[in-house]
Amino acid sequence: NAGVTQTPKFQVLKTGQSMTLQCAQDMNHEYMSWYRQDPGMGLRLIHYSVGAGITDQGEVPNGYNVSRSTTEDFPLRLLSAAPSQTSVYFCASESSSPIVQYFGPGTRLTVT
Amino acid sequence: GNSVTQMEGPVTLSEEAFLTINCTYTATGYPSLFWYVQYPGEGLQLLLKATKADDKGSNKGFEATYRKETTSFHLEKGSVQVSDSAVYFCTLKAGSARQLTFGSGTQLTVLP
Repeated sequence: NAGVTQTPKFQVLKTGQSMTLQCAQDMNHEYMSWYRQDPGMGLRLIHYSVGAGITDQGEVPNGYNVSRSTTEDFPLRLLSAAPSQTSVYFCASESSSPIVQYFGPGTRLTVT
Repeated sequence: GNSVTQMEGPVTLSEEAFLTINCTYTATGYPSLFWYVQYPGEGLQLLLKATKADDKGSNKGFEATYRKETTSFHLEKGSVQVSDSAVYFCTLKAGSARQLTFGSGTQLTVLP
């Protein structure tokens, strides 16, 4: 049972490049989400999914796309990277009973 | 909207000192409250939680009591250890919403 896994751990992009951050969980959780963590701001929700085929926007969705074709995977796509997207990105999944969110180890992204 | 305000850091203590990290919240309805901990280079882990007024969450010597009258959920530990050095996040989940609202985090450093 690996929990929530994320790849890559580190990434450097140039402005305008695109990339996909990978997230997978092996706990059969329906709910998954993406957060970004910026200094002094805690974590902010980007997108979430309540099950395969269903996604919705969180607090800061602009510049990001998601899809959920399987229960296990929830990739986050940066369409055209900007320096403002420099951040640490965390994927999480949530158990239903008890309701607890499990976080991946994070991806540190730098956009130059 | 929902919000969490927690004590600004960084906090530096000597080993075996008493710890308090203050947390107050604003939320509609009756939220569930959590403390998450982030050790260096890792993702967030649930430390403790409380789901209704006057509940006390506890784990690893840490405690926090859900105080509805003061809208607070202060984290305490009687005797901290070097291994407690981490960032602590006060967090709430309001009603049936799946989204977590995070405080800005408090960096704790414990010196031997």
